[in-house]
Amino acid sequence: AQRVTQPEKLLSVFKGAPVELKCNYSYSGSPELFWYVQYSRQRLQLLLRHISRESIKGFTADLNKGETSFHLKKPFAQEEDSAMYYCALKGGSWGKLQFGAGTQVVVTP
Amino acid sequence: NAGVMQNPRHLVRRRGQEARLRCSPMKGHSHVYWYRQLPEEGLKFMVYLQKENIIDESGMPKERFSAEFPKEGPSILRIQQVVRGDSAAYFCASSNYSNQPQHFGDGTRLSIL
Repeated sequence: AQRVTQPEKLLSVFKGAPVELKCNYSYSGSPELFWYVQYSRQRLQLLLRHISRESIKGFTADLNKGETSFHLKKPFAQEEDSAMYYCALKGGSWGKLQFGAGTQVVVTP
Repeated sequence: NAGVMQNPRHLVRRRGQEARLRCSPMKGHSHVYWYRQLPEEGLKFMVYLQKENIIDESGMPKERFSAEFPKEGPSILRIQQVVRGDSAAYFCASSNYSNQPQHFGDGTRLSIL
């Protein structure tokens, strides 16, 4: 069975401090992993997908198949990073996504 | 391009009534996905449709729930004889191909009195 686990419901960091959001998954095949972000009063939007291997808004995420993890990192958090972050997995050929429960990030000045 | 449009944004129903949630995908997108989010939980997949066809409904409750995506018009998620446990946020997403990223709407918050 496929599963996505985000162990932290809430992450509070100071502006300028590093931030890491944990995401672990279980899936028997080769999954595709995503990070989605939802800013206050906005819709859910794609932040990163692992196959792109790019950095968006200073965030990076590396797929670690050995540890079945896809942690999201940013070296210096900004106040505008305060949002809800969801890790998601797509397994198989269909597009359906399996989401984690989400991590609320609060960046304080 | 206005993106994925869902309406209504908020819907209040009494127990036993029917709820109809609408989703217009982004222009050029023919793949539609519905997700449900219960309080304090992540989004859970319900159904995947491609014009006039249900491709995967493995996340749909067996009774009272149905979905369609007609040739013309929006996709509709229909909940018959609603119960309190149906209170949730329902999100629609669309993509142009099944292997492309999904774009989400603002969701419909359904409240059952």
